[in-house]
Amino acid sequence: QVQLQESGPGLVQPSETLSLTCTVSGGSISNYYWAWIRQAPGKGLQWIGSIFYSGNTNYNPSLKSRVTISVDTSKNQFSLRLTSVTAADTAIYYCARQFFGTHFDFWGQGTLVTVSS
Amino acid sequence: DIQMTQSPSSLSPSVGDRVTITCQASQDINNHLNWYQQKPGKAPKLLIYDVSNLETGVPSRFSGSGSGTDFTFTISSLQPEDIATYYCQHYDNLPYTFGPGTKLEIK
Repeated sequence: QVQLQESGPGLVQPSETLSLTCTVSGGSISNYYWAWIRQAPGKGLQWIGSIFYSGNTNYNPSLKSRVTISVDTSKNQFSLRLTSVTAADTAIYYCARQFFGTHFDFWGQGTLVTVSS
Repeated sequence: DIQMTQSPSSLSPSVGDRVTITCQASQDINNHLNWYQQKPGKAPKLLIYDVSNLETGVPSRFSGSGSGTDFTFTISSLQPEDIATYYCQHYDNLPYTFGPGTKLEIK
């Protein structure tokens, strides 16, 4: 059974960079797409972007100028960087496996990132 | 972006009731539609993919149907553990977007 676990700081200063890592266990990161999705407190779900294990990326245009997703196959990890954060970026950030660019079938438990000074 | 709408936004059925949630896309999404269940404090869980395919291990009381721009999610007989928020999601083009959710609360 594939398991995903997010890790990273829970508090980020405004205008700084949010950095999170997702570690995949119970299966290889190869041959799949991997995604970041966020949920502001009490709100709905927003897809941030996806990366294929080979490194090809797709980003949400609303965030594209600030987002970088990368993958490290040797560590079975992929990562999210979101620059110039504001309070509007406060959310639970989930990592997920995206089955060949379609549905999100395995999810991490999520990690709350608060943007505040 | 393709906009996804859901109705109703909330529902208070009784145990055993048949529950129906609708999801509408702002344009034809070629049946590229999934449904998720999210319980409080938990990550979303995939229930149905590609309109009507039940994810492995998901009870058969859950089902999905529809085509084009209009889709339906049904719980045939509501169980107490089904209390959650349900989201539809399209993957027809980028960006992938989710509906605003339908919150079920037991009456």
